[in-house]
Amino acid sequence: RKEVEQDPGPFNVPEGATVAFNCTYSNSASQSFFWYRQDCRKEPKLLMSVYSSGNEDGRFTAQLNRASQYISLLIRDSKLSDSATYLCVVNLFSGGYNKLIFGAGTRLAVHP
Amino acid sequence: DTGVSQNPRHKITKRGQNVTFRCDPISEHNRLYWYRQTLGQGPEFLTYFQNEAQLEKSRLLSDRFSAERPKGSFSTLEIQRTEQGDSAMYLCASGTNRASSYEQYFGPGTRLTVT
Repeated sequence: RKEVEQDPGPFNVPEGATVAFNCTYSNSASQSFFWYRQDCRKEPKLLMSVYSSGNEDGRFTAQLNRASQYISLLIRDSKLSDSATYLCVVNLFSGGYNKLIFGAGTRLAVHP
Repeated sequence: DTGVSQNPRHKITKRGQNVTFRCDPISEHNRLYWYRQTLGQGPEFLTYFQNEAQLEKSRLLSDRFSAERPKGSFSTLEIQRTEQGDSAMYLCASGTNRASSYEQYFGPGTRLTVT
């Protein structure tokens, strides 16, 4: 079983739509969580951290459910520029250092 | 530009040749990570430096791979006797030791093609 699992998509949605991505992780010792965004042939860029209480940044809302080991990302009012791959990332403290474990990503395509 | 930089951005090499990549992290970051990413996958951890000390190496990092960070600033990743399976994007990321800050910031990557 992969340590971080995501639906690869693609999710094809029209502009203005609301779309949600889910992610599950296997290691209950995971300490912190992130969503990264990656455009085609570019590096991953930090989109937002995910806090236990849930957090919102503009059109983006992230939720964490530690009991179910489940993370979600909700994008409201999708824009064409949101088209990208969204990587679910788990931070694990192991061997004295922090290690990021990446999911394979969920592809989003927003069309006019 | 004060972000993470990597050189070269692209490298094409023949099987069996050695290649070396360089990463310059964000200046105040003491943590430096190398990852490898292949098509359709997320980045996979290769190795980690805290200052000049290499603290962890993934099992993905065969004996043909070596990484250094001699002065705790820039880092190099060398692949000896390259194989076609080494073709991938090699990403460097840096981060700080600030409490509760585990974020990592990535460079643009070096895309390696082994022919």
